[in-house]
Amino acid sequence: QVQLQESGPGLVKPSETLSLTCSVSGGSISSYYWSWIRQPPGKGLEWIGDIYYSGSTNYNPSLKSRVTMSVDTSKNRISLNLRSVTAADTAVYYCARIQFGGFDYWGQGTLVTVSS
Amino acid sequence: QSVLTQPPSVSGAPGQRVTISCTGSSSNIGAAYDVHWYQQLPGTAPKLLIYGNSNRPSGVPDRFSGSKSGTSASLAITGLQAEDEADYYCQSYDSSLSGYVFGTGTKVTVL
Repeated sequence: QVQLQESGPGLVKPSETLSLTCSVSGGSISSYYWSWIRQPPGKGLEWIGDIYYSGSTNYNPSLKSRVTMSVDTSKNRISLNLRSVTAADTAVYYCARIQFGGFDYWGQGTLVTVSS
Repeated sequence: QSVLTQPPSVSGAPGQRVTISCTGSSSNIGAAYDVHWYQQLPGTAPKLLIYGNSNRPSGVPDRFSGSKSGTSASLAITGLQAEDEADYYCQSYDSSLSGYVFGTGTKVTVL
């Protein structure tokens, strides 16, 4: 059974960089696309971007100027960096595996609050 | 930034049938991209409920069914149960965005 686990700071100051890692267990990161998705408190889901195990990326145009994703196949994990954060970036951040155009496995999510 | 529109809420008594609509456009559902549905119980991560418009992953009860027509899709829940009370989201791919899009979400309440 594939399991995903997000990790990273729960509090980030405005204008700084949000950095999260998603560790994948129970299966290889290879041959799949992986995605980051976020959900502001009480709101809906927003796709941030995705990354193939080879490292190729595709980002949401609304966040593209601030987002970088990377993959480490040796450690079976993917990472997210979101620069110049504001309070609007406060959300639960999920990593998920992409299969058949949908998201079949999700991490439990991690709440990141942007505040000074 | 949701480009897929869902009703904010639907409700039904136990045992009843409810449906949730998901309306898109010619750049997503209407462009023949598949629709997927997720169930999000309070305080938990979304769970894949329907993939490829109408397919259920292993372990999902057959009370849940999905369909797609034109620029819209629907999720039906028959024999509504208390445990079905959750938020439901549709999702597809959008060629204009060149990325994945989610619906606005629907809260299902069991009366």
